[in-house]
Amino acid sequence: AQSVTQLDSQVPVFEEAPVELRCNYSSSVSVYLFWYVQYPNQGLQLLLKYLSGSTLVKGINGFEAEFNKSQTSFHLRKPSVHISDTAEYFCAVSDVTGSSNTGKLIFGQGTTLQVKP
Amino acid sequence: ETGVTQTPRHLVMGMTNKKSLKCEQHLGHNAMYWYKQSAKKPLELMFVYSLEERVENNSVPSRFSPECPNSSHLFLHLHTLQPEDSALYLCASSQGTGNYGYTFGSGTRLTVV
Repeated sequence: AQSVTQLDSQVPVFEEAPVELRCNYSSSVSVYLFWYVQYPNQGLQLLLKYLSGSTLVKGINGFEAEFNKSQTSFHLRKPSVHISDTAEYFCAVSDVTGSSNTGKLIFGQGTTLQVKP
Repeated sequence: ETGVTQTPRHLVMGMTNKKSLKCEQHLGHNAMYWYKQSAKKPLELMFVYSLEERVENNSVPSRFSPECPNSSHLFLHLHTLQPEDSALYLCASSQGTGNYGYTFGSGTRLTVV
């Protein structure tokens, strides 16, 4: 079975500063990895995903994440944040084969990014 | 437009009412999911439907009753709810087992009074 740990529940940062949201996972099988963003009173929107290939994945809104297999991490980064990036961010993992857990995504607890002016 | 539409967006209901939440997807996906999101709590998977068959039910109280009449529609029927059932209810869909990711709707904000 897989599990996901988001190491920070809240990350405050000033506008135009860089940010990193941390995500670690555990799994006995190969995984796919995802970051979702949730704005207030909205559903989750896919930011980016790692399925295979380059370990550096670029997503929407200037975000990127790097898959590090040896450290079982998939940290999300942005070089310069905007007020509009204030939201909840969720890391998620799934089993590559799709055979376990009904292939469902396992979500982390979420990290609230608070961008201050 | 995310491809997954949930109605209503907001719902206030009394504990003795019966109401239904609706989810519709236009992505050609064959699996659909209900999640509950409460304040300060992680996402809780409630039900999974694959090819219109319920494949998972995570110990959800019987006052929540899902229905999947076809691969494009998913309902959550509610009756005699409790105030602690107030939450954001999210619907999602996926192709196959979902290991390539889900597409979420915008959610229904439910308040039980």
